[in-house]
Amino acid sequence: KQEVTQIPAALSVPEGENLVLNCSFTDSAIYNLQWFRQDPGKGLTSLLLIQSSQREQTSGRLNASLDKSSGRSTLYIAASQPGDSATYLCAVRRNTDKLIFGTGTRLQVFP
Amino acid sequence: DAGVTQSPTHLIKTRGQQVTLRCSPKSGHDTVSWYQQALGQGPQFIFQYYEEEERQRGNFPDRFSGHQFPNYSSELNVNALLLGDSALYLCASSLEQYTEAFFGQGTRLTVV
Repeated sequence: KQEVTQIPAALSVPEGENLVLNCSFTDSAIYNLQWFRQDPGKGLTSLLLIQSSQREQTSGRLNASLDKSSGRSTLYIAASQPGDSATYLCAVRRNTDKLIFGTGTRLQVFP
Repeated sequence: DAGVTQSPTHLIKTRGQQVTLRCSPKSGHDTVSWYQQALGQGPQFIFQYYEEEERQRGNFPDRFSGHQFPNYSSELNVNALLLGDSALYLCASSLEQYTEAFFGQGTRLTVV
């Protein structure tokens, strides 16, 4: 059974810091991995999608890497801003249709 | 492009009642999935619809049912509501099963 774990559960940092959020999964036979952002009480915003054949994806200040063999992905946020404050979720998809989510990392960036 | 839209945004129901939640997928998307998110948890997969049929189902009781219409929009129905059904219900759409999933803003269901 696939399990997804995110560390740390919460993070509070001053503005301007570079951040690394971690996601690990127990079954390396994934089709793709997706990172999401969720603001309190809101839906999920897709940040990055990494296919199993890819090593990393970049979008603006965000960079996500994937090491399938070790069951790990990291989301790197450069030069963090207060507007980055949110919960970040990673989800993996096997050769089935559903996404399996971690419990998220709650990020607070203070001025 | 309006993205994925869900209605209503908030809903309060009494235990034992029935509820219907609605979802319109992103333009061009043909696959709709439903997720339940309890407070402080990651979303849990309920089921997925493709070509008007349920393709896969998560570990949810038969009280949870759904439908997909020819225009790809979808409904989630929950019968005999329990207090534990209180959650944020999220709809996701994609083009075919394995591509990037886009989520709506969710429906906050409170059962009292």
